[in-house]
Amino acid sequence: SQELEQSPQSLIVQEGKNLTINCTSSKTLYGLYWYKQKYGEGLIFLMMLQKGGEEKSHEKITAKLDEKKQQSSLHITASQPSHAGIYLCGAPHTGTASKLTFGTGTRLQVTL
Amino acid sequence: EPEVTQTPSHQVTQMGQEVILRCVPISNHLYFYWYRQILGQKVEFLVSFYNNEISEKSEIFDDQFSVERPDGSNFTLKIRSTKLEDSAMYFCASGAGRGGFGQETQYFGPGTRLLVL
Repeated sequence: SQELEQSPQSLIVQEGKNLTINCTSSKTLYGLYWYKQKYGEGLIFLMMLQKGGEEKSHEKITAKLDEKKQQSSLHITASQPSHAGIYLCGAPHTGTASKLTFGTGTRLQVTL
Repeated sequence: EPEVTQTPSHQVTQMGQEVILRCVPISNHLYFYWYRQILGQKVEFLVSFYNNEISEKSEIFDDQFSVERPDGSNFTLKIRSTKLEDSAMYFCASGAGRGGFGQETQYFGPGTRLLVL
C-alpha cells in the first residue's frame, strides 16, 4: 500500500522566516494534494500537483512535485501567524478521483 | 464560495448506541467520501460513494457502518452499535467527478467530533 512520509513532524519558526515541508512517497504518485488543517478542524485545500516537475504558487505558498513524482515540497515564504496549523499531503490511489492516502502531517507554529 | 457542511459538530454517545453523521456536499459534486481521524493519527479513508452506491470502502468500513444519500442534498454515515474505538473526527468530502485532474479535488467539511463513552 502507498505510504506518505512527511518531514519534519513539527516546526517552530519565527514570523517572517521561510520554511519547507517535505512529503515523500513509497510509490510513484498520480498526483499530490496539499491541505492545511487547523487543530480540531477540517482540511482546507491548498494546491494540487499532477505533473513531474510541476510547481504552483498561491500567495506565499509554493508547492513542487519532483520529476520522478515521488516527492513534493511545500515552501512558505515570510511566514505569518496565519500560516500556523497542520499541513497534510494526500495522494490518490489511481489516476482518477479516488480515495486519498494522507501523510503523517507537519505541525507548524509561527512565533512572533 | 460553496462548501461542504457537516452536522453535528460534536456528538457524544454511549457505547452500543447508533449515531448518524450528516453531510451536505457541494451541490454540483458527484463523488462523496467519508474519512476519519483518530486523535493524533492520520486521516484515514472510510468509503467513497457515487451514483447512489459505494464505489470503494476500506477494511475499517465493516458491517457496523453504512452510508446513504437519502435525498438530493444530504449524505449520511451511520454507525451502528458504537464502540469506544469509534471515537474520532469524521470528515465528509465531495468532489466534482472523474474528469481531468483539475476536476478531482476533494473538498472537506469541518468534521464531526464523535466521542463514545
